[in-house]
Amino acid sequence: GQQLNQSPQSMFIQEGEDVSMNCTSSSIFNTWLWYKQDPGEGPVLLIALYKAGELTSNGRLTAQFGITRKDSFLNISASIPSDVGIYFCAGQLSGNTPLVFGKGTRLSVIA
Amino acid sequence: DAGVIQSPRHEVTEMGQEVTLRCKPISGHNSLFWYRQTMMRGLELLIYFNNNVPIDDSGMPEDRFSAKMPNASFSTLKIQPSEPRDSAVYFCASNIPGQGETQYFGPGTRLLVL
Repeated sequence: GQQLNQSPQSMFIQEGEDVSMNCTSSSIFNTWLWYKQDPGEGPVLLIALYKAGELTSNGRLTAQFGITRKDSFLNISASIPSDVGIYFCAGQLSGNTPLVFGKGTRLSVIA
Repeated sequence: DAGVIQSPRHEVTEMGQEVTLRCKPISGHNSLFWYRQTMMRGLELLIYFNNNVPIDDSGMPEDRFSAKMPNASFSTLKIQPSEPRDSAVYFCASNIPGQGETQYFGPGTRLLVL
């Protein structure tokens, strides 16, 4: 089946630093999504991308839908302690198909 | 809105016992998804329903797993008999068809099978 490769698996950064993580796929997706999971909770949608090349921001978060439709990245600027959590990318082929999730990037922020 | 509700939040059971996980989707959402999350395999889709009808259960690990959605406001995931390798966090999510990207996840059920 389809698989998403997400990297890095984990990262430790100092508060105030910028963060970048990415996701690649062996096949095309028409929608890319980024979720965040806080400890003990379910994933929450951060950003949705619908067009190849699209760049979308949500506060300090910026995500891009790769031109090839096989990749996406998420940047977090000026990280703060509450950014700690697991970030998941997810791809979707069409609105009626299930999401395919990456294995997540575990972010730790050192104050 | 209360969001997606799952119960129990935690379950500890012994190998061989039956486990039933419950989910109440957000009112008005007519797609429901069951996921399993482990460190090794990440988030895996087990099964999903549209309008209470199972659409794809290819992710269900084996016959010990079964899921039902008797009405629009309730679904169960049952494991019988349970095994230690079933230990994981099980999430339920719901959304409106055609807006597949906006899946709303419940808080999860943490299952430990001893």
